[in-house]
Amino acid sequence: ETGVTQTPRHLVMGMTNKKSLKCEQHLGHNAMYWYKQSAKKPLELMFVYSLEERVENNSVPSRFSPECPNSSHLFLHLHTLQPEDSALYLCASSHSPGLADSSYEQYFGPGTRLTVT
Amino acid sequence: TQLLEQSPQFLSIQEGENLTVYCNSSSVFSSLQWYRQEPGEGPVLLVTVVTGGEVKKLKRLTFQFGDARKDSSLHITAAQTGDTGLYLCAGGSNYKLTFGKGTLLTVNP
Repeated sequence: ETGVTQTPRHLVMGMTNKKSLKCEQHLGHNAMYWYKQSAKKPLELMFVYSLEERVENNSVPSRFSPECPNSSHLFLHLHTLQPEDSALYLCASSHSPGLADSSYEQYFGPGTRLTVT
Repeated sequence: TQLLEQSPQFLSIQEGENLTVYCNSSSVFSSLQWYRQEPGEGPVLLVTVVTGGEVKKLKRLTFQFGDARKDSSLHITAAQTGDTGLYLCAGGSNYKLTFGKGTLLTVNP
């Protein structure tokens, strides 16, 4: 595997279900991100992990719970979601932000298309 | 709050035509990225520009960063059907990216 991978690619879940999205990066990066992409809206940054520590939580509801066990893996645990949470969830990775020599280049996975019924 | 405005929102052209899309902001960015996204896939990085006035060329694509590092443009020469996609600009500042809503380009055969 190369680049950034995400599983599953498609997920349909009821409002009472619990599921997890998985992201893995093979680029040697040490920062990982979760974004939400909805129709007619810019990509919304949800969470940022740098060196396995959460450095950004963009006022995301608690029904979304991220986990970063190491610099290559990122999870998004989902529970009690609402229909408006249906969207494309994108994972990205980069070199650690904020470092003097870091660029802002992020590399994205293919996304998980989530539908909440 | 930093905002990036992209225009036009939609663009439909014939193969072989030239086009320019724009990305504008009132904020200064340390760098600016352009991405292309195809349906059902994640954005793919095309280019990064970091210096005011910088111009970068990628085959038929020309990217320019404004002198004040607040705006950027993407020019495509002799568009091909394979250029179809959503073009996103993203400004880098304070260790994160701010994305525009994108320009949805359709190149018809």
